[in-house]
Amino acid sequence: DAGVIQSPRHEVTEMGQEVTLRCKPISGHDYLFWYRQTMMRGLELLIYFNNNVPIDDSGMPEDRFSAKMPNASFSTLKIQPSEPRDSAVYFCASSPDGGTQYFGPGTRLLVL
Amino acid sequence: GDSVTQMEGPVTLSEEAFLTINCTYTATGYPSLFWYVQYPGEGLQLLLKATKADDKGSNKGFEATYRKETTSFHLEKGSVQVSDSAVYFCALSSISNFGNEKLTFGTGTRLTIIP
Repeated sequence: DAGVIQSPRHEVTEMGQEVTLRCKPISGHDYLFWYRQTMMRGLELLIYFNNNVPIDDSGMPEDRFSAKMPNASFSTLKIQPSEPRDSAVYFCASSPDGGTQYFGPGTRLLVL
Repeated sequence: GDSVTQMEGPVTLSEEAFLTINCTYTATGYPSLFWYVQYPGEGLQLLLKATKADDKGSNKGFEATYRKETTSFHLEKGSVQVSDSAVYFCALSSISNFGNEKLTFGTGTRLTIIP
């Protein structure tokens, strides 16, 4: 199995631009999680899906952030418009049962 | 709510030293407990886990025992190597308000091993 796949691995953009991060979970996993990691705030859960349905989005920082999971093998996290304080590493993780999670390599986002 | 408290870092040790990273938790019920490791530039990887009291999780020379009486899950290794340099996260799995399992992570402990 290829594991969780994220793209792009690095993204540099200017403030105000739209950013779309992509994730392909491990096949057969029913749960998908989006996290953000920064030095100041550590690892934060943004949103998670079960069977493609968003379950808990209470961690999404504000309306500029949105996430979708149109099918079992693909999810996106979109930031529009982006701001410098959104600079972070964004991780996607998947899980067969919501317990043990398998993380992707992350997308390192820099907003100038 | 559920929470995990782990040892503040950074921790710096010499190669072949004994390692302990403390982790305590607060939870209702009987959570599963995990240690994840994050190597530089990578995502988190599951290192070991324990699902019930007195269970010992082990992997790559690391061990942790689920201690219900002290609500702890300390990570130990008898002889560390330079390749163990990473950030270590303690986590617990519990049932969320939505009826699904969710992980609660500690803040992470950065470990550096010097030759």
